[in-house]
Amino acid sequence: SQQGEEDPQALSIQEGENATMNCSYKTSINNLQWYRQNSGRGLVHLILIRSNEREKHSGRLRVTLDTSKKSSSLLITASRAADTASYFCATDPQGAGNKLTFGGGTRVLVKP
Amino acid sequence: NAGVTQTPKFQVLKTGQSMTLQCAQDMNHEYMSWYRQDPGMGLRLIHYSVGAGITDQGEVPNGYNVSRSTTEDFPLRLLSAAPSQTSVYFCASMGRSYGYTFGSGTRLTVV
Repeated sequence: SQQGEEDPQALSIQEGENATMNCSYKTSINNLQWYRQNSGRGLVHLILIRSNEREKHSGRLRVTLDTSKKSSSLLITASRAADTASYFCATDPQGAGNKLTFGGGTRVLVKP
Repeated sequence: NAGVTQTPKFQVLKTGQSMTLQCAQDMNHEYMSWYRQDPGMGLRLIHYSVGAGITDQGEVPNGYNVSRSTTEDFPLRLLSAAPSQTSVYFCASMGRSYGYTFGSGTRLTVV
């Protein structure tokens, strides 16, 4: 079973708009990570947020984490056509020894 | 170029055949994993290794074997291929700083 579940499954926006996607998970975690996958490619690590952090920024990316609700969100600001990809959250469960568990992903389409 | 190298990129097998998917990393990472990705889905962990000589099962290990004789290499063996193993396989490694580095994947079709 998958630890993380992303919402929505798909998202279509215009270039310049913001894109927000959410991730919910089931068990306690050490950290939560977000990855991007362009069509037909491997995953690329975007950002990691630790369980004792609430918000983190990296360029146009903003990640929040609410451990009480077991949820996280990824915001991409001022989206570009190049941001078109699938985005996955991955959780590092406590006591699992870095066994990252991935959600089903959110497919984002940024229209020019 | 530093990174994770997977070979082959594409493979077609007949049911019952065996094969080995190769994975090599040149970053001296201790942690390596194999995932499979089915269409429209996320990644599921097959096997992982925390260092040379140490491997363990993930979520979907049946039908696959691994070994880790060196830090660099982590091959995945399909013992007797089945159509249910048609998938894209990703190898990934992680060093002391968090965040996986993924290979470009092997697209496997079992007919």
